Amino acid sequence: AQSVTQPDIHITVSEGASLELRCNYSYGATPYLFWYVQSPGQGLQLLLKYFSGDTLVQGIKGFEAEFKRSQSSFNLRKPSVHWSDAAEYFCAVGLNTGGFKTIFGAGTRLFVKA
Amino acid sequence: GAGVSQSPSNKVTEKGKDVELRCDPISGHTALYWYRQSLGQGLEFLIYFQGNSAPDKSGLPSDRFSAERTGGSVSTLTIQRTQQEDSAVYLCASSLVGRGNQETQYFGPGTRLLVL
Repeated sequence: AQSVTQPDIHITVSEGASLELRCNYSYGATPYLFWYVQSPGQGLQLLLKYFSGDTLVQGIKGFEAEFKRSQSSFNLRKPSVHWSDAAEYFCAVGLNTGGFKTIFGAGTRLFVKA
Repeated sequence: GAGVSQSPSNKVTEKGKDVELRCDPISGHTALYWYRQSLGQGLEFLIYFQGNSAPDKSGLPSDRFSAERTGGSVSTLTIQRTQQEDSAVYLCASSLVGRGNQETQYFGPGTRLLVL
């Protein structure tokens, strides 16, 4: 069965430090991959997406993610975290089954300390 | 409108009552999605509307859940005979074309439902 795993329920980083949020998926074909961010009291906002081509994808707010087929991973990175990045981050997989289905991970909550 | 709107933002109800949750998608978006987000959980797909096609209801957890989309725009999610396990945040999203796997989904702020 298709699944998305975000191994870290929560992560704490210091402001200015680098960040990597992990995402692994289980799917037989190459999926479409997304990262969304949910700030407190806000709806989900798309950070970036991968469909094909360059496996390193740039997104908004200085985030990037790299698709690694061999590892079935799509980890999110940011070189220097800002306090405003504190939020919950969701990895999602879009399945090309001829119909619509998007599976979300359980999310990783990011805490930023001064 | 500027984005996806949902109402009410919060709803408290008693077990056994019916509730209706409303979603106004972005104007011109042909696809509309409902998700449920329980505490500490990811987003659970509920239902998907695309244009005039029959909706994909494969994610609805029970027959107490139903949704409709009138005039290809506003959608209402109805939960009948609510149970405590229905307590969650219900999120609506819309996208432009509805090639759901590819198109960016724009999410509303959600309706937080609490069933006492």
